[in-house]
Amino acid sequence: EAQVTQNPRYLITVTGKKLTVTCSQNMNHEYMSWYRQDPGLGLRQIYYSMNVEVTDKGDVPEGYKVSRKEKRNFPLILESPSPNQTSLYFCASSSTSGSNEQFFGPGTRLTVL
Amino acid sequence: AQTVTQSQPEMSVQEAETVTLSCTYDTSESDYYLFWYKQPPSRQMILVIRQEAYKQQNATENRFSVNFQKAAKSFSLKISDSQLGDAAMYFCAMETGGGADGLTFGKGTHLIIQP
Repeated sequence: EAQVTQNPRYLITVTGKKLTVTCSQNMNHEYMSWYRQDPGLGLRQIYYSMNVEVTDKGDVPEGYKVSRKEKRNFPLILESPSPNQTSLYFCASSSTSGSNEQFFGPGTRLTVL
Repeated sequence: AQTVTQSQPEMSVQEAETVTLSCTYDTSESDYYLFWYKQPPSRQMILVIRQEAYKQQNATENRFSVNFQKAAKSFSLKISDSQLGDAAMYFCAMETGGGADGLTFGKGTHLIIQP
């Protein structure tokens, strides 16, 4: 089944404790991205990657890092989480040819205390 | 910069009736795509319908259709014969740059279906 998976689905952590949210897709998509969703703000792009070893900042990159060492994986790293990073996070992927439809993961609910 | 505006934070409709959700956008790009996503309480993002800017014909998917007015930069979603399962947050989104820029989302419209 074609899908985007994220882990963990829920995470409660404390300020300053490094964490990684994993994202994996099995559709051989070149493009992957991370979004955060906050009430009243919709979804905003954090980082994206056009292909392996190619990443770039989105609209709200501060406090986040990403890496793209393999085509299927695109982890989101919070080196020192803060309460303002409490949010719902989505990973998405798409092919750079064809329909451009982005496929979303199920979301990760992160709470930083 | 690209912007997407949804001016209706919440809409309510009677079951079996028709409802229209509004969306306007702004971009200087000539090549772009427009989308409506549905987010039910499960939080999953589900693509409802998409429209290529170069196509004049409005997209339709069963009970869902769009009114794409390119000159006015308007992209409204019409849901016919509303069902209880249509209750969700609906997000309008735009993609430019051949996909490289990702999606720019509106703030969403919460759709309530009254039985």
